[in-house]
Amino acid sequence: AQSVSQHNHHVILSEAASLELGCNYSYGGTVNLFWYVQYPGQHLQLLLKYFSGDPLVKGIKGFEAEFIKSKFSFNLRKPSVQWSDTAEYFCAVNAQPGGSYIPTFGRGTSLIVHP
Amino acid sequence: EPEVTQTPSHQVTQMGQEVILRCVPISNHLYFYWYRQILGQKVEFLVSFYNNEISEKSEIFDDQFSVERPDGSNFTLKIRSTKLEDSAMYFCASTPGLAGVKYTDTQYFGPGTRLTVL
Repeated sequence: AQSVSQHNHHVILSEAASLELGCNYSYGGTVNLFWYVQYPGQHLQLLLKYFSGDPLVKGIKGFEAEFIKSKFSFNLRKPSVQWSDTAEYFCAVNAQPGGSYIPTFGRGTSLIVHP
Repeated sequence: EPEVTQTPSHQVTQMGQEVILRCVPISNHLYFYWYRQILGQKVEFLVSFYNNEISEKSEIFDDQFSVERPDGSNFTLKIRSTKLEDSAMYFCASTPGLAGVKYTDTQYFGPGTRLTVL
């Protein structure tokens, strides 16, 4: 079965700093990878996803993530964060064949951006 | 933009009591899900529901849990006899599924219900 780990549980940055949140998965087959974000008081929503093609995926609000198959990683990046990026970020993976279409989530990374 | 809604936002209950958490999925979606997140831990899948029956469930989803779609809009999660360890944030989600479920489907989440069991 697939699994995913997020190593940074809490990240605190100042505005304009660069962001990289780690996500590693374990599964030997074809994976689909997702980053979801939950802003304070709001729904979990999709930031970006990868399922094939260019391993560098661009999402909403200037976020991007790079799928590195050899490292089993899908790290989330943003070159310059804003106060409004303060949120909880979740990496998720599903896998085929043999895995469930239900995504497996990491425990999330809490990002606080100071103005 | 259509959204998944959940009620209540916060539920406090005594151990052993029954609770029902309610969700209204996006109206033309066909697959529905419940997840939970215990504070500081992973978001965990509980159950998925399609065509009025459970399609997948995790080991967490034991006999204390049940789901129902009582009408054309609501999707409920019932916990029959709550335990302290059921305290968590419970998220409902839905996916379109019009051409069957796809591994690349985006999950559309509700805002969650925080359940506190005393």
